[in-house]
This record gives sequence, structure tokens and C-alpha cells, in this order.
Amino acid sequence: ETGVTQTPRHLVMGMTNKKSLKCEQHLGHNAMYWYKQSAKKPLELMFVYSLEERVENNSVPSRFSPECPNSSHLFLHLHTLQPEDSALYLCASSPGVYYEQYFGPGTRLTVT
Amino acid sequence: GESVGLHLPTLSVQEGDNSIINCAYSNSASDYFIWYKQESGKGPQFIIDIRSNMDKRQGQRVTVLLNKTVKHLSLQIAATQPGDSAVYFCAESDPGNQFYFGTGTSLTVIP
Repeated sequence: ETGVTQTPRHLVMGMTNKKSLKCEQHLGHNAMYWYKQSAKKPLELMFVYSLEERVENNSVPSRFSPECPNSSHLFLHLHTLQPEDSALYLCASSPGVYYEQYFGPGTRLTVT
Repeated sequence: GESVGLHLPTLSVQEGDNSIINCAYSNSASDYFIWYKQESGKGPQFIIDIRSNMDKRQGQRVTVLLNKTVKHLSLQIAATQPGDSAVYFCAESDPGNQFYFGTGTSLTVIP
């Protein structure tokens, strides 16, 4: 395992639900990331945090709301999602911003 | 935006043969490259990286080659094993900027 854990591993939610994805890294890294992975598409960077400060927000819709309470934990709060938001959501961490990234196993999200 | 792509979406090799997976990039300022392996149901796993001041770097059964002139990156896997079956994708970045990832090549190892 890479030292990055994500929960839940699978999530099915309706368009009116509110849910949260959790990520925890045990590597002592200073940067954490959320990516979206859709079939046959490259990884899409969503958010970057460095030492709990958000340093990148790649034009992500406001229905996705990140939270980084400390350098080991990262959350992605979800509300009023659309079916096209169904994807694998990957968390990653790195020693510093844009150093080599280590990924968690992902949360497979299905929006119905 | 960045363009990082792979020459072939799928690759099948016999067990024991060597595999070569290719990647092209478009940003001549990119100076750091990583190969990742993603098995079914798992997140991407770091395999090997290389910086632009190098042409070649070797790991355990893997070698990465970088040709900056034609902006081409390759991953060579020696003596491919069934456990090597996965999607492999490259990532590039230029100094201080985010990584851009390719779409991946699916490697199937035939026993």
C-alpha cells in the first residue's frame, strides 16, 4: 500500500444527497490533492493543498467543496451532484507541492 | 493546455518478453516526468521518475528513457510478468506547475 487511504471505496448517491469523501496520508507529506478520473480520460486535477492552504482550484464546480483540517487529512464534500460527476475520485499526497505524488485507492462514485 | 499522450492504447506481450510503452509530450519546458502503473480497482502507483537532465534511469526491471529532442518518453519493462498487467501512464510537469497525465496504455501479459 502507498500510505494513502480513502473512504468510502464505493459510494452511490442521489442528486439531492450530501456526502463526503475522506482521505488520510501516513507519509508525513505536506501537500495533498484531489483528482477526478473518468474512463478513457487523463486524470483531472481538482484541488491542491499545501500545509492546509489551498493553492490550486482548477475551475471545479462549487458542488465540490474541499476541506483540509491538517496536513494528514483531506475531505471532499459533495452536494447536488450531477450524473456526469460519476467517476473515480483519487486522493494523492506528496512531500511538497508538485513533487512525486502517491495515490490512494480512490472512491468509485456513482450519481443516480 | 498540455498534451500528453501515448502512442498505443493497448499492448499485449508474452510473459517473459520485454515491454515498451511510449509517451509523447508537447511542453518543451517540462523537466520532470513520472511513470505510473494502475491496476484494476486500485489507485495509480509510482513506478519511476526522471528529470530532464538525464536521458535514462533504471529501476528494478524497469527503465525510463527520455528524448528531449523529440519530446518522447518510454518505459521499458524487462521479462514482463503477469503481475505487470495494468494501465501505465506518464505524467509531466514544468517547474512549479501541476502534473499533466496521459490517458494510459493498457498492458496485457499473455501467460
